[in-house]
Amino acid sequence: GENVEQHPSTLSVQEGDSAVIKCTYSDSASNYFPWYKQELGKGPQLIIDIRSNVGEKKDQRIAVTLNKTAKHFSLHITETQPEDSAVYFCAANRAPSGSARQLTFGSGTQLTVLP
Amino acid sequence: DGGITQSPKYLFRKEGQNVTLSCEQNLNHDAMYWYRQDPGQGLRLIYYSQIVNDFQKGDIAEGYSVSREKKESFPLTVTSAQKNPTAFYLCASSVRLIAGGYNEQFFGPGTRLTVL
Repeated sequence: GENVEQHPSTLSVQEGDSAVIKCTYSDSASNYFPWYKQELGKGPQLIIDIRSNVGEKKDQRIAVTLNKTAKHFSLHITETQPEDSAVYFCAANRAPSGSARQLTFGSGTQLTVLP
Repeated sequence: DGGITQSPKYLFRKEGQNVTLSCEQNLNHDAMYWYRQDPGQGLRLIYYSQIVNDFQKGDIAEGYSVSREKKESFPLTVTSAQKNPTAFYLCASSVRLIAGGYNEQFFGPGTRLTVL
């Protein structure tokens, strides 16, 4: 089955700096890669996703890049703010076409933005 | 106000007792999912359901059971057969697209289960 590895497990940056979180996946058939943000005691919220037919996607301060050949994808947050502090999870989809998505998650990155 | 509700937020049970966690959604989503989250780990899929009266096992289904009698409800029962039931349980749902496949998963606020 699919295996997703995420690093680093913790990341501290100064406010205004950029943060990068990286994930690798094992199943070359995976074609959907979402990123979730989870605040303490809450459920994860989708912040951005990318499909395998695209190499990069941006949404304001957040961007995701995908390298299908190397089987890795990354989350980039620019101009970080204290409210960006949370746990971030990457995931990969290995569901067959038409089937409900069976996401495999990375182990998470605790991002701390220092004021 | 549309969304996914999970109740209760905190749940305590004695070892050996079955316990049922509630998940309700009013988003008219077709698929629903249950995940387990342990400290310092990612989410792991327990069960999912694409349609009423049908569900499939995920990666860690042993010791759990589900039902899908209504589109908006997907309760999870943690049985006494589950060896390490203490965890944070998350329910999610997604809508089936007209072109096939499913849209992104939206998560509920979670239930923290502690077995004493």
